[in-house]
Amino acid sequence: QPALTQPASVSGSPGQSITISCTGTSNYVGDFMYVSWYQHHPGKAPRLLIYAVDKRPSGVSSRFSGSKSGNTASLTISGLQAEDEGDYYCCSFAISTNFVFGGGTRLTVL
Amino acid sequence: QVQLQESGPGLVKASETLSLNCTVSGGSISSYYWTWVRQPPGKGLEWIGYIYYNGRADYNPSLKSRVAISIDTSKNHFSLRLTSVTAADTAVYYCARCRDASGYLGLDPWGRGTLVTVSS
Repeated sequence: QPALTQPASVSGSPGQSITISCTGTSNYVGDFMYVSWYQHHPGKAPRLLIYAVDKRPSGVSSRFSGSKSGNTASLTISGLQAEDEGDYYCCSFAISTNFVFGGGTRLTVL
Repeated sequence: QVQLQESGPGLVKASETLSLNCTVSGGSISSYYWTWVRQPPGKGLEWIGYIYYNGRADYNPSLKSRVAISIDTSKNHFSLRLTSVTAADTAVYYCARCRDASGYLGLDPWGRGTLVTVSS
């Protein structure tokens, strides 16, 4: 069963940069090139931040960037702001189960 | 811009059927893949399934025996039915648009979600 593993929590101070990792176990399509990242503030609609590993939709701040190395994708947030606090999820397309989400990472801005 | 809004009962009895609608405004439903995702309390997101505008659907294998997604292009909405629900189906249910079958372009936009509680 494919799975995506994220750290449960990360934290950083305003102005700093943080990175959230997302490691896939197996059976991901396209050498893990179908990774997307979402920001979720409780009670609000999740928001697409990154698609296809490193592409930003229009309207998303350049402070958000994505990358990957092998089966680990990463989301980096630079110049942390208080409004960045929330939950972050990675997602990828797997052969047997279609879409799989990571367990989510809670970002705390200190 | 396209907006999605979930609607339906917030309380369902165990063993009964959960039914939700997602209304799409600001754009036509006659394209793209229309998706359901859920989040149980304190847990992460789980993909339920999606439907293409032509009616072709695909589901999470873990839910496939109990789930059906349908689409009504004349009303610009799509629907979720989940049968034989248990407490494990208590979750916030989100609908979202997926611009391609494999999610390469991501899920965007999403609705705000609706909480469905399964009672015994």
